[in-house]
Amino acid sequence: DTAVSQTPKYLVTQMGNDKSIKCEQNLGHDTMYWYKQDSKKFLKIMFSYNNKELIINETVPNRFSPKSPDKAHLNLHINSLELGDSAVYFCASNSWEETQYFGPGTRLLVL
Amino acid sequence: QKEVEQDPGPLSVPEGAIVSLNCTYSNSAFQYFMWYRQYSRKGPELLMYTYSSGNKEDGRFTAQVDKSSKYISLFIRDSQPSDSATYLCAMSARGSARQLTFGSGTQLTVLP
Repeated sequence: DTAVSQTPKYLVTQMGNDKSIKCEQNLGHDTMYWYKQDSKKFLKIMFSYNNKELIINETVPNRFSPKSPDKAHLNLHINSLELGDSAVYFCASNSWEETQYFGPGTRLLVL
Repeated sequence: QKEVEQDPGPLSVPEGAIVSLNCTYSNSAFQYFMWYRQYSRKGPELLMYTYSSGNKEDGRFTAQVDKSSKYISLFIRDSQPSDSATYLCAMSARGSARQLTFGSGTQLTVLP
């Protein structure tokens, strides 16, 4: 009965690899987000989708590509991983004017 | 200069103390103000959500917004060890459906 779920929880990989993180929400929300949290706990938005349409696209390297197959899912694909990509990635969702609900996070470590 | 400034701490207080957490911001368009609590290795969870200036109370938590000073606060009364977490302020110009801008978080430890 998890509201916002992410897989995997932990991801350890080598530089240069391509990886994907998946997010699903069962709250019936129409907007989903990806955030990156660095080692100093600073949480910064990366992307937002509303009804499968990209509405926020912050200054993020184009190695990062979000994909929303439907309203309940928002995936994040990362190409050619770099050391600086190591962080915790959070998915969140909400409906218009409501608060955002966050997933448990995916801890990515690039070696 | 960041849009939202928050003292990162760490802040340690004895159990039962009153805790005051603060953020300042520079964007006068911000109208919606939130406080999130994040336990270690967990996602942020919403604690308080206020619109415009004023106070809002919920149990041991009180959120204050002073838009004229661009300053928001979260007060925790009778703090408990279970309150130990990182507290993140967040704000947006148009509800939370659009972009949230977060502070860097304050790490709080309540000692038993």
